[in-house]
Amino acid sequence: SSELTQDPAVSVALGQTVRITCQGDSLRSYYASWYQQKPGQAPVLVIYGKNNRPSGIPDRFSGSSSGNTASLTITGAQAEDEADYYCNSRDSSGNRGVFGGGTKLTVL
Amino acid sequence: QVQLQESGPGLVKPSGTLSLTCAVSGGSISSSNWWSWVRQPPGKGLEWIGEIYHSGSTNYNPSLKSRVTISVDKSKNQFSLKLSSVTAADTAVYYCARARVMGYYYYMDVWGKGTTVTVSS
Repeated sequence: SSELTQDPAVSVALGQTVRITCQGDSLRSYYASWYQQKPGQAPVLVIYGKNNRPSGIPDRFSGSSSGNTASLTITGAQAEDEADYYCNSRDSSGNRGVFGGGTKLTVL
Repeated sequence: QVQLQESGPGLVKPSGTLSLTCAVSGGSISSSNWWSWVRQPPGKGLEWIGEIYHSGSTNYNPSLKSRVTISVDKSKNQFSLKLSSVTAADTAVYYCARARVMGYYYYMDVWGKGTTVTVSS
């Protein structure tokens, strides 16, 4: 079982805002990072740290954190945002990485 | 910019050893990063396998630790994964990735395209 918990599936209407959450005790010590994965492709980092976007990631993607919960927010979701999203962090010991189970985002 | 490329056999027999290499280009494997392996079974989520620093320090997923070895070859600017005693459950797409670990920050900012490994006789 994963030490980071995500909802398996979330849907959002085109152009609306959606929040994807990730819960885990280690998130009190480490920031989560978020990855977008489309079918047949490698994961792509979309958010890391407090709220940092790598170059090329649209500013409609943002991140936040409170206590043991990290969130990825997409403001004005686009059709191309339909994908699986994974959170990632270190475990509570800091000695290994751990992924959430992933959230399948459907844009309606 | 840094690019990663996985290589290795796409088919491994049950009870055999899976061996993959990740070639690092556009940067040095001796930089201050952890070099990681992640896998994804068909239709399932991502699983962290382990990581190595250029010094040779390693961390492994406890669920795989008894079967996993990650090594680094600085002369070839690459790192490798060996997974022994494989079964069908080890069938997956295997990714290598560069991980940044700095204080509260941990993220994988560069990924290889992935390579599919099937365990079958």
